[in-house]
Amino acid sequence: GNSVTQMEGPVTLSEEAFLTINCTYTATGYPSLFWYVQYPGEGLQLLLKATKADDKGSNKGFEATYRKETTSFHLEKGSVQVSDSAVYFCALSPPRGNRDDKIIFGKGTRLHILP
Amino acid sequence: NAGVTQTPKFQVLKTGQSMTLQCAQDMNHEYMSWYRQDPGMGLRLIHYSVGAGITDQGEVPNGYNVSRSTTEDFPLRLLSAAPSQTSVYFCASSYNQGFSYGYTFGSGTRLTVV
Repeated sequence: GNSVTQMEGPVTLSEEAFLTINCTYTATGYPSLFWYVQYPGEGLQLLLKATKADDKGSNKGFEATYRKETTSFHLEKGSVQVSDSAVYFCALSPPRGNRDDKIIFGKGTRLHILP
Repeated sequence: NAGVTQTPKFQVLKTGQSMTLQCAQDMNHEYMSWYRQDPGMGLRLIHYSVGAGITDQGEVPNGYNVSRSTTEDFPLRLLSAAPSQTSVYFCASSYNQGFSYGYTFGSGTRLTVV
C-alpha cells in the first residue's frame, strides 16, 4: 500500500543553519506530495506541494523537489530562523482512482531552532 | 475568514460521558475528515465523508460516530468517552479529496477524559 516515511526528530539546529528533513514514499503511479507545518497549539498548515515528477514546491524559503527516481520529497531551507520551530509533516495523495484515496501523513518531525 | 472552524477548543469529560465535537467549513468543500493526533503516533484518520449523506470509516473509528447532513458541517460524536480517547482532534476539508489541493485543517480540539 501507500506509505510515507520521514526522519525522526527532534532535529535541533542553530539559527541560520541549513535544514534538511528527509521524506521518502511508497506509492503506485504518480501521487501528489505535500509538506505541512504545525506550530505549537495550532492545526496543520499546507507549506508547499508538488503534483508531478521534477516539480519543485516552495514557500517561505522552504523548498522540496519531487524525485520519482528516488521516491523522495526532502524539505530544505538555506537559513532557518527561531520562528521555524514547529513540527513538519510529509504527506502524499494517491492518484485519483487509487483504492487508497486519502492523504497519507508521515509521523512528523519536530524542529527546534536555537537562537 | 474562510476556513475550518472547530468547537470547542478544550474539553474535559468524565469517563462514560458523551459529547459532540463540531466542525464547520465555508469553502464548499466536498471532502471532510476527522483525525486524532497522539504523541509518537502522528495523525490517524477516524472517519471521513466525500459529500453530504456519505460517510466512511478510517483507521481508528471505534467509539466515534459521524454524520454529514449538510456540505458545511461534519460533527464527531463520542458515544461513551474513555481515557484512551484523550487526544487532540483535528477536522480537515478539501475540494476534491485532496488529490492535488491538499487539506485545510481546523485549529483542533484538545480533549481530556478523566
